[in-house]
Amino acid sequence: DARVTQTPRHKVTEMGQEVTMRCQPILGHNTVFWYRQTMMQGLELLAYFRNRAPLDDSGMPKDRFSAEMPDATLATLKIQPSEPRDSAVYFCASGLVTGGVTDTQYFGPGTRLTVL
Amino acid sequence: AQSVTQLDSHVSVSEGTPVLLRCNYSSSYSPSLFWYVQHPNKGLQLLLKYTSAATLVKGINGFEAEFKKSETSFHLTKPSAHMSDAAEYFCVVSDQNQKVTFGIGTKLQVIP
Repeated sequence: DARVTQTPRHKVTEMGQEVTMRCQPILGHNTVFWYRQTMMQGLELLAYFRNRAPLDDSGMPKDRFSAEMPDATLATLKIQPSEPRDSAVYFCASGLVTGGVTDTQYFGPGTRLTVL
Repeated sequence: AQSVTQLDSHVSVSEGTPVLLRCNYSSSYSPSLFWYVQHPNKGLQLLLKYTSAATLVKGINGFEAEFKKSETSFHLTKPSAHMSDAAEYFCVVSDQNQKVTFGIGTKLQVIP
């Protein structure tokens, strides 16, 4: 049963530290999404990739956030420096786009980030 | 522009009674529509999807949704709520412009 995996599942860090979150999409999926979920803002799309190329990162604070796909089996989301307001659950999802339409997204379990 | 409106942020039902979670959408293209469920401290899971085939879509756990183009709606229903249905539900629209938009979510409470 193929699944999206995310590491770490939990991360507690201090303000100013660098945080790297990793995601392994389902093999064969050509699209990867990063979302952030908080009580106040709900679910927000941060960025997404198609065939490893960034298509849209308009939801991401550019000054401190960066997202990459170094290869087809790994997507990373980095925050440097981290701030308390970055505390949230970060979800990765992967899916298949055919004919220009995004089909089902398969979500990972999330990384719960706490910045003190 | 594409948008999704979930009309209720919270819905409370008694166990064994019907569930209705409302969703209206706006899209310039023929959309695909999805419902996802998120149980506490879990990731999102697909409940069902509409992709221009049958307008009445059946999903997992007894849920179904009907695509009504004239009303631009995709409401989620279940005949009889179970305690395990307590979760947050997200309506999602995706179109040929490759844009995906999530609704704000509806929290379903099931009262024993």
